Amino acid sequence: QKEVEQDPGPLSVPEGAIVSLNCTYSNSAFQYFMWYRQYSRKGPELLMYTYSSGNKEDGRFTAQVDKSSKYISLFIRDSQPSDSATYLCATYTGGFKTIFGAGTRLFVKA
Amino acid sequence: DGGITQSPKYLFRKEGQNVTLSCEQNLNHDAMYWYRQDPGQGLRLIYYSQIVNDFQKGDIAEGYSVSREKKESFPLTVTSAQKNPTAFYLCASQDRSQPQHFGDGTRLSIL
Repeated sequence: QKEVEQDPGPLSVPEGAIVSLNCTYSNSAFQYFMWYRQYSRKGPELLMYTYSSGNKEDGRFTAQVDKSSKYISLFIRDSQPSDSATYLCATYTGGFKTIFGAGTRLFVKA
Repeated sequence: DGGITQSPKYLFRKEGQNVTLSCEQNLNHDAMYWYRQDPGQGLRLIYYSQIVNDFQKGDIAEGYSVSREKKESFPLTVTSAQKNPTAFYLCASQDRSQPQHFGDGTRLSIL
């Protein structure tokens, strides 16, 4: 079993839709949770960063962590074609090794 | 402007040739990483370094080598022993207890 599981998609939605991206993880020691966005032929850029459980909102993006069920979510409101990218979830315990999900490809159609 | 610079953006390797990918950061981060990204497989860790003159193998180190002579530089050599080198290579750096930050990658192909 992988330490972080993420559905690779692709996920295709119409412009303006609410997008829900999800990951599950297996190690309860993970404390820090991130979402990265990766455009084609570019490196991943940090989108959201949360510590422990709860919600964090930044503009149209909301990250949610449920440690009791080991579930990580990213919600995108009013999705735009410019949101079309691969989204990677990631987690670590606080040290130097980060575990990444495989990434979900998202297409937002105009 | 602080960041991570990878070069070249595209690289071609001939059979039996070693090639070196450059990674430089001016974020003053202690830790640096090399990942390989293949379609549908996410990021796989090749090597990482927590301090200068020290580095550790990741999950797929065979056929690769690194050095860390300076804090800001962490070059990756893809040797001829790596039989399937075609991939997108990503360098990252990290400050303790903070998320990793990435460069824009080098795409390596076989001639």
